[in-house]
Amino acid sequence: NAGVTQTPKFRILKIGQSMTLQCTQDMNHNYMYWYRQDPGMGLKLIYYSVGAGITDKGEVPNGYNVSRSTTEDFPLRLELAAPSQTSVYFCASSYHPTDPLKYGYTFGSGTRLTVV
Amino acid sequence: AQKITQTQPGMFVQEKEAVTLDCTYDTSDQSYGLFWYKQPSSGEMIFLIYQGSYDEQNATEGRYSLNFQKARKSANLVISASQLGDSAMYFCAMREGRDDKIIFGKGTRLHILP
Repeated sequence: NAGVTQTPKFRILKIGQSMTLQCTQDMNHNYMYWYRQDPGMGLKLIYYSVGAGITDKGEVPNGYNVSRSTTEDFPLRLELAAPSQTSVYFCASSYHPTDPLKYGYTFGSGTRLTVV
Repeated sequence: AQKITQTQPGMFVQEKEAVTLDCTYDTSDQSYGLFWYKQPSSGEMIFLIYQGSYDEQNATEGRYSLNFQKARKSANLVISASQLGDSAMYFCAMREGRDDKIIFGKGTRLHILP
């Protein structure tokens, strides 16, 4: 089982460049999430999706965009990268049946992004 | 107001001792789930244990147990017989019944001393 796959694992961007962080899951989870983790800090929600074609903003959406055209894929787009976006980015997915409470996240391995 | 509070930024514990990581939460929902995740220095997020708000018994998974005190809104993680490999960041998290997402605390960094 691949679970949640994130690519790339590392990336250095110059200020003003754009890039897409890829996230794919093969568990048929309908819920997917993007978090960022700044050094020594907890996770902050950027965007999430409850199904194909549906996305919602989280706590820190500015500077990012997402799309969810399929159940499997949930890419995160950074436009005009800024040093403040230097962080580790985690994609996660979750099963959401009738009783979702006991279903936590399956996390990807993370993407370490540095903007210089 | 924070929904998940972890008051211990860092802890140092001698190997083989038991350790308790504190977590308090705030919710008005009757139905919710509580989770603990471990993040070692390699960076991945590892699920450890889950407790449902209606579960009558405290959750246990191997050396991990969750001391769930509902009236106090407390969900402390207890690690018995700590090992050097337990050195990591630990996150407490909550999923509320009506919410689509999980909220994380700021974490506690645990250091196990040989």
